[in-house]
Amino acid sequence: NAGVTQTPKFQVLKTGQSMTLQCAQDMNHNSMYWYRQDPGMGLRLIYYSASEGTTDKGEVPNGYNVSRLNKREFSLRLESAAPSQTSVYFCASNPALNYGYTFGSGTRLTVV
Amino acid sequence: SQELEQSPQSLIVQEGKNLTINCTSSKTLYGLYWYKQKYGEGLIFLMMLQKGGEEKSHEKITAKLDEKKQQSSLHITASQPSHAGIYLCGAETPIKTSYDKVIFGPGTSLSVIP
Repeated sequence: NAGVTQTPKFQVLKTGQSMTLQCAQDMNHNSMYWYRQDPGMGLRLIYYSASEGTTDKGEVPNGYNVSRLNKREFSLRLESAAPSQTSVYFCASNPALNYGYTFGSGTRLTVV
Repeated sequence: SQELEQSPQSLIVQEGKNLTINCTSSKTLYGLYWYKQKYGEGLIFLMMLQKGGEEKSHEKITAKLDEKKQQSSLHITASQPSHAGIYLCGAETPIKTSYDKVIFGPGTSLSVIP
């Protein structure tokens, strides 16, 4: 089915470990986004990419890096995981301005 | 910065009852989105409103944007267990570039009792 695919769905990391969250969309969308969702905080934008080859910081970028590998893929990397990065991470995409986002099913990350 | 508030925070209704969820912005909304999130899953796009006074409906869900474009309501008629989940409103941030970024409210948790 067309949409946004995130991997993995679940992950447990030890403090200081690194990992990359993968996101791919097959809808030929230009823009892609990474959000984190925390209880009482709602969804907060980490990084976004308006088009292939461009990335920009969102509201909470510290501790993260991103790569827009091509039009389909947008990865999120945690270089040195911290317990404060325990969260549910969502990738989203949309074709252009004024279009609703399509979200992936999320990655539930726990850092111990 | 623009912030979105939602009320109520949570809602428990009996199947068949009507309900309303509100989303209020501290600034004028340039675009207002409604999403539904089932527990443990991703967000599903419901509707987008742009013009003051605009109203859209999909099945038993109606969303309205007020004339001043600072408040939106989501109304569910004759609720069903399938309507249960978390409803989030999202708003486009003031456009500084051609990029489209959306901020979200904290969400309203809806439970429907059969």
